[in-house]
Amino acid sequence: SQTIHQWPATLVQPVGSPLSLECTVEGTSNPNLYWYRQAAGRGLQLLFYSVGIGQISSEVPQNLSASRPQDRQFILSSKKLLLSDSGFYLCAWNSGTNTEAFFGQGTRLTVV
Amino acid sequence: AQSVTQLGSHVSVSEGALVLLRCNYSSSVPPYLFWYVQYPNQGLQLLLKYTTGATLVKGINGFEAEFKKSETSFHLTKPSAHMSDAAEYFCAVNAKGKSTFGDGTTLTVKP
Repeated sequence: SQTIHQWPATLVQPVGSPLSLECTVEGTSNPNLYWYRQAAGRGLQLLFYSVGIGQISSEVPQNLSASRPQDRQFILSSKKLLLSDSGFYLCAWNSGTNTEAFFGQGTRLTVV
Repeated sequence: AQSVTQLGSHVSVSEGALVLLRCNYSSSVPPYLFWYVQYPNQGLQLLLKYTTGATLVKGINGFEAEFKKSETSFHLTKPSAHMSDAAEYFCAVNAKGKSTFGDGTTLTVKP
């Protein structure tokens, strides 16, 4: 069966520090991969999606970047965190353009 | 472009009462519609989905939703609420390969 792993679960980082969140999927090949951010009381904002290795689409301009070095690995990064980067980050995957998404457990990022 | 509107950011019901969470969507192409549930500090789990065919779809935990094209709605219902149903619920629409989520509805179940 397919599983998705996302880590760490919580992270407290100082302003100006770098960020690296990792997401891996097991049990499937060539998944579509997504990074979402969820602010309190708000819906999910799509940050990045990828349909293949090295193929990244950014949905909103921001202080973050994403990379897909391997088929089932998706990384969210920042060189210098801002206070406004705090939030709940979710990685997700699906197998087709209109299929349901499967989510990781999320990372609670607090920038202090 | 596509969008999702969830009417009511907070819904409170008594245990055993009917649950109704409202979702309206807009899409320029026939949509695929989903409801997800999120428990605190966790990811989202799929409750049910509509792709094609029968407009009344049944999901896990006794939930169901009806796709009404004329009303552009996909409301989520459950006949009798349980305490364990307390969570946040998200409606989502997929069209042309992208998912758009509503802002979510927090369901509170009172004993």
